[in-house]
Amino acid sequence: SQTIHQWPATLVQPVGSPLSLECTVEGTSNPNLYWYRQAAGRGLQLLFYSVGIGQISSEVPQNLSASRPQDRQFILSSKKLLLSDSGFYLCAWKPSGPYEQYFGPGTRLTVT
Amino acid sequence: ELKVEQNPLFLSMQEGKNYTIYCNYSTTSDRLYWYRQDPGKSLESLFVLLSNGAVKQEGRLMASLDTKARLSTLHITAAVHDLSATYFCAVSHESGGSYIPTFGRGTSLIVHP
Repeated sequence: SQTIHQWPATLVQPVGSPLSLECTVEGTSNPNLYWYRQAAGRGLQLLFYSVGIGQISSEVPQNLSASRPQDRQFILSSKKLLLSDSGFYLCAWKPSGPYEQYFGPGTRLTVT
Repeated sequence: ELKVEQNPLFLSMQEGKNYTIYCNYSTTSDRLYWYRQDPGKSLESLFVLLSNGAVKQEGRLMASLDTKARLSTLHITAAVHDLSATYFCAVSHESGGSYIPTFGRGTSLIVHP
């Protein structure tokens, strides 16, 4: 069966510090991968998605970037965090095609 | 641009009552998804509706899809406290060969004893 992992689970970082969040999927090949951010009490904002290694599409301009160095690994990064980067970051995967997504447990980021 | 609208956004109801959450979307799609999010937790899939007229039921929740009206409903029957959560609908649209899900803003449901 497939599983999706995210780490760390929680993170507190000062403004201006770098960020690296990792997401890995097990039990499937060539998944479509997604990064979402959810501000407190708000809906989901799609940040990035990837349909293959090295293929990244950005949905919103911001100080974040994403990379997919391996088939089942998706990384979200920032060189300098802003206060507005605080939120709940969710990674999700799905098979290619119009299928439901499977979400990871999330990383709660607080920028101070 | 595909738009997905849910209403209501907030719903406070008593145990034992019935209610319906609505999900409207703006362009043609024949697949719609419902997810549940418990406070502080991630999203989990509830239903996948694959075609016009599809109906899925699990426990006190029933979801339906009308692709002609571009409308899905999530009906709650005899609500219980355990159903308190945020419910999202999502619709996939094709972009450059990829299927990109678009989510509604979510309906926050609180069930009172």
